[in-house]
Formats: sequence, C-alpha cells, structure tokens
Amino acid sequence: DTAVSQTPKYLVTQMGNDKSIKCEQNLGHDTMYWYKQDSKKFLKIMFSYNNKELIINETVPNRFSPKSPDKAHLNLHINSLELGDSAVYFCASSQDWGLTYEQYFGPGTRLTVT
Amino acid sequence: QKEVEQNSGPLSVPEGAIASLNCTYSDRGSQSFFWYRQYSGKSPELIMFIYSNGDKEDGRFTAQLNKASQYVSLLIRDSQPSDSATYLCAVTPPRGNNNDMRFGAGTRLTVKP
Repeated sequence: DTAVSQTPKYLVTQMGNDKSIKCEQNLGHDTMYWYKQDSKKFLKIMFSYNNKELIINETVPNRFSPKSPDKAHLNLHINSLELGDSAVYFCASSQDWGLTYEQYFGPGTRLTVT
Repeated sequence: QKEVEQNSGPLSVPEGAIASLNCTYSDRGSQSFFWYRQYSGKSPELIMFIYSNGDKEDGRFTAQLNKASQYVSLLIRDSQPSDSATYLCAVTPPRGNNNDMRFGAGTRLTVKP
C-alpha cells in the first residue's frame, strides 16, 4: 500500500490558470507538508499543517493555499499560475510526537507552466 | 550562511569503496538530523536519522553526529552502483518550534563499477 500518494503525477498548464494537487497519507500521521523542488533540486518547505495549526513559509506567494478536508488529506491549490511555479511539488507527512518526526514523501507532481 | 550546507559534488567513488558525505548546520539548537536518498526523478526516501552525538549504524550506512562542531555525516561502506543518487541532509529545529525541516542542497554520489 502506498503510504503517501499524490495526484496527478504530471500537470501541464498555461499561465494564469488555477490548478490543484491532491495528497493523501494512510500512515495515520498528524502533520502534512508541501515542498517545492526547483530545477536545481533544492527542496524547500512551503507549508506544514496539522489539525491545530497551519504554518506558512513567509516566502510562499499567497496564490498558493493548502486545503485539508481531514487529517489524511492535504491538497495544494494554486491560483494564477506563473512560469516560475514550474517545479516538482512533494507532499510529505510525519507523526507529531516522539523525539524525531521523520517525514515520508509522496512521489511528487511535476508541474509545468507554459 | 545557509542553514544546512552540503558539498554539491558530484562525489565519485569506485564500487566497494567507502563514500563519505558531509553536512554542516547553523542552528546550534537543532534537534534531529536526517539523511534522505533521492534517485533521479523520484521522491526523497529516508535512510537514517540520528539525534545523539556519536555514531549510528544501519547495515552499510553509518551516520555520525557531532553537535559541538555542528556536523553530521553519512558513511556508505561497500558502495554499490545502486547507491548512485543525490543524498540530502535535513535538520529539524528544537522541539517546541514548528516541524520545519530544513534541507541541504544535496550531494550527488556516483559509484562506478
């Protein structure tokens, strides 16, 4: 069984469109995340979210918004897509207790904005 | 100063050799340290984590942590061509802060047969 899944795997769209990426985890984790990995492979956190708190990386444009219908899902909605949004987006999850809270990643969504 | 720094490589080692990957971090209060492996076109997968000073071994992998020097390393013994990937070092802040894991830019490792 896939622990963290994302859909779609590939997304090609035009500038100005609005799109969503879905993420689901079946690990029973409390916290979910969205990361952006750019062309230089640098992995940067965008959001972390649990049922108590949404933490937004201050560098993320407000065109990006996470939406969580329940603890197992965290979707990413992007408005007015720009060329610079092209990247691979990874969803991840972790348990919210314990000494370490290692994160488990989904397979990624490659977004291409033309 | 970057929060988590790694030598981007590429690091090339012959099959069977020991590969040594290094990482330094800037926040002295950092709590937990992780090594992820990322194959090209794939997602990061967790290899090891460490939170106490010293060595932690798991099969061919050994993580080493020195909090005084703010340094964490990963040794891969008996390197195999299948170990060729980018290795990401990640660090988490002290407990009580958010779960904001910071990643280094990664070191590309190539193991030559």
